[in-house]
Amino acid sequence: QKEVEQDPGPLSVPEGAIVSLNCTYSNSAFQYFMWYRQYSRKGPELLMYTYSSGNKEDGRFTAQVDKSSKYISLFIRDSQPSDSATYLCAMSASNAGNMLTFGGGTRLMVKP
Amino acid sequence: DSGVTQTPKHLITATGQRVTLRCSPRSGDLSVYWYQQSLDQGLQFLIQYYNGEERAKGNILERFSAQQFPDLHSELNLSSLELGDSALYFCASSPQGGTGTEAFFGQGTRLTVV
Repeated sequence: QKEVEQDPGPLSVPEGAIVSLNCTYSNSAFQYFMWYRQYSRKGPELLMYTYSSGNKEDGRFTAQVDKSSKYISLFIRDSQPSDSATYLCAMSASNAGNMLTFGGGTRLMVKP
Repeated sequence: DSGVTQTPKHLITATGQRVTLRCSPRSGDLSVYWYQQSLDQGLQFLIQYYNGEERAKGNILERFSAQQFPDLHSELNLSSLELGDSALYFCASSPQGGTGTEAFFGQGTRLTVV
């Protein structure tokens, strides 16, 4: 079993929909949680960065962390075709430098 | 643009050969990380350097090695290449060596071993 699990999708939604992306993890040492967006053949781009449990909002994006359930989410409001990409969750533990453990990624397609 | 520069963008080489991938971190960043992305394994951490010294090691093969130079650029050396080494190799950088700082990724080097 992988340390970080993520539904690979693809997830197809109409433009304007609210998108929910999720990851579960097994390592209770993870303290820092990130969401990256990766367009085809490009490098991962950092979207959201949160520490420990709670919510964080940035524009149309909201990240939620529930450490008690070992579950993190990314919500995208008013989704746009330009949001079509692969979304990767990533995590790191306090004793592991900044080494990131990634989920496998969820491919999102937003249709006009 | 993340500010992390990787060269070359594409590399095609034969089995058994050796290649060097180069990474220039964002200005001021002291930490450099190398990741491998393949279809079956996803993004896997290979190794981290902080200010010239190895800080953390992941599932990096013995055929692979890396170093960070005084000007903070880093190189990943892959030798005795096998078909299974074909993948995207990413470099990332962050200001510090520990957790609490975000990592920013370059555009990657696509390695094809034939």
